[in-house]
Amino acid sequence: DAGVIQSPRHEVTEMGQEVTLRCKPISGHNSLFWYRQTMMRGLELLIYFNNNVPIDDSGMPEDRFSAKMPNASFSTLKIQPSEPRDSAVYFCASSLGTGGAMGYEQYFGPGTRLTVT
Amino acid sequence: AQSVAQPEDQVNVAEGNPLTVKCTYSVSGNPYLFWYVQYPNRGLQFLLKYITGDNLVKGSYGFEAEFNKSQTSFHLKKPSALVSDSALYFCAVRDMDAGNMLTFGGGTRLMVKP
Repeated sequence: DAGVIQSPRHEVTEMGQEVTLRCKPISGHNSLFWYRQTMMRGLELLIYFNNNVPIDDSGMPEDRFSAKMPNASFSTLKIQPSEPRDSAVYFCASSLGTGGAMGYEQYFGPGTRLTVT
Repeated sequence: AQSVAQPEDQVNVAEGNPLTVKCTYSVSGNPYLFWYVQYPNRGLQFLLKYITGDNLVKGSYGFEAEFNKSQTSFHLKKPSALVSDSALYFCAVRDMDAGNMLTFGGGTRLMVKP
């Protein structure tokens, strides 16, 4: 099993540019999560999908952030325009289950380290 | 609402000694509880979970955790620490009745010294 795959692993861009982060979840998993990790704010949930449908996007910082999941094997997180305060490590995670009486753990990708200058 | 507290930013322990990393939680219903470990420049790695049943849960790399409902705690333990256990540890909780979201604690850095 390849695990959760994220690309790119590192991204350096200038303020104002569009950034697209990509995620391939583990095959068969039907929940997908996007997190952001910074020293100041720790690990924050941005958005999650069940069966390709966004369920909770209350953690998305502002309209500059958007996420899509066009199919069960691919998701993107887009920042447009990017700002220096968006610099962070962005993680994608996936799990089995869609809630209810299931205690499925999430499996994390290696992350994308984003630097906005 | 669900929440998790990890009261210690850092725990220092000598190699070979037992270690404990503390976690307390708050949920309105019954909890699912998880521990994750993060090594430098890596993603979070699942260690163990409590769903139901035996309060003592065993996980990867010799770690275990004890669920204590009365104290709303889920402390991570290991009988004998290794230098290679040095990492950032996260506790997480999910309310059984509140969808599929995990709420993570702020993390505890474990430093094991030779």
